[in-house]
Amino acid sequence: AQKITQTQPGMFVQEKEAVTLDCTYDTSDQSYGLFWYKQPSSGEMIFLIYQGSYDEQNATEGRYSLNFQKARKSANLVISASQLGDSAMYFCAIGGGSEKLVFGKGTKLTVNP
Amino acid sequence: SQTIHQWPATLVQPVGSPLSLECTVEGTSNPNLYWYRQAAGRGLQLLFYSIGIDQISSEVPQNLSASRPQDRQFILSSKKLLLSDSGFYLCAWSVGGNYGYTFGSGTRLTVV
Repeated sequence: AQKITQTQPGMFVQEKEAVTLDCTYDTSDQSYGLFWYKQPSSGEMIFLIYQGSYDEQNATEGRYSLNFQKARKSANLVISASQLGDSAMYFCAIGGGSEKLVFGKGTKLTVNP
Repeated sequence: SQTIHQWPATLVQPVGSPLSLECTVEGTSNPNLYWYRQAAGRGLQLLFYSIGIDQISSEVPQNLSASRPQDRQFILSSKKLLLSDSGFYLCAWSVGGNYGYTFGSGTRLTVV
């Protein structure tokens, strides 16, 4: 079975600073994908970034990057130059051999002006 | 391009009343379809998923049911709502678990 652990219920960051949201995973699949989603207060789930288990380079999408450490089974999200609009819930998820994604419990990020 | 539509956006229903939430996907065929529920301030709980018409799996026993009358339509229903059914319901589609989901905009259900 797959599992995602997000140990930070809440995080605070000053505007324009970088922040790292932690995510560790457990899986028996050889091939899997790791995903990060953002959920603002409106409720919609917005896909941010994807990392495949065989990708050798860390994924990047604009201000988002994924710090993938396969041996440690971690897939931390790094947001650079935080903006007020980054305040939201962030969910890490893993997908593999099954048809389902498994989500973590999320981290609430607050960006302070 | 693919789009997913979910409605209604907001719903207030009395205890014991029926429920029908609808989700449709456009621009793709034979998608995997999912229903999630999110309690206030909590994570996502998978309720049902479907990899094809007449192939619906239930993840959590409850008084909810799901149906897939057409390839790209997924409906969440209840005959009699409970207070505990309140929450934020999200529909999603995927081509497979390793490819991530695209979510609908959600339905905020309040049972009173």
